[in-house]
Amino acid sequence: GAVVSQHPSRVICKSGTSVKIECRSLDFQATTMFWYRQFPKQSLMLMATSNEGSKATYEQGVEKDKFLINHASLTLSTLTVTSAHPEDSSFYICSARTTTGGSGYTFGSGTRLTVV
Amino acid sequence: DAKTTQPPSMDCAEGRAANLPCNHSTISGNEYVYWYRQIHSQGPQYIIHGLKNNETNEMASLIITEDRKSSTLILPHATLRDTAVYYCIVRVGSSNTGKLIFGQGTTLQVKP
Repeated sequence: GAVVSQHPSRVICKSGTSVKIECRSLDFQATTMFWYRQFPKQSLMLMATSNEGSKATYEQGVEKDKFLINHASLTLSTLTVTSAHPEDSSFYICSARTTTGGSGYTFGSGTRLTVV
Repeated sequence: DAKTTQPPSMDCAEGRAANLPCNHSTISGNEYVYWYRQIHSQGPQYIIHGLKNNETNEMASLIITEDRKSSTLILPHATLRDTAVYYCIVRVGSSNTGKLIFGQGTTLQVKP
């Protein structure tokens, strides 16, 4: 079945630095990927839709200059949290749309970001 | 905004069927209902999805009312490992352009 790999699983960074999170589709090509953020005891909030070869589409209220998304190939999308602050600490999850069976939406295992 | 409402929590005895309800009264004719679950600090796991017919797979059954305004996810024999947050989602958009907007979900606690 379709597998999405997300890396790193955990990262701690200092306030003011930038962090890159990778999302890879391992056995299929994903023209569209999604990035979510989840705070403790809350649901997943869609941040943006990432389309291969074009600019990402951000949901209302999400700062595009702070959360940079690059989808340069059919198997890789990256989310860069720029100038991270403690309030950016969260669980970030990616998802890829697949046409091969299942639901059509496969999720990564998530990245726990802690900004100190 | 999410187009679904679910009870915030439910309990179920181990070995019994777990029936998780979901209301989606504003669903459109071509919008699918998806169910995912999330175990603590993991990515969501797909369970099942459907349009208007009832669906069954190795994990669960999905019962959608005739007017499509509500649905029920059934885990036929709940185990302790089924303890998780269950999300009922109405996909916004088509299969090529759609996205999943999560609501608050139901925390299912399976008890021995």
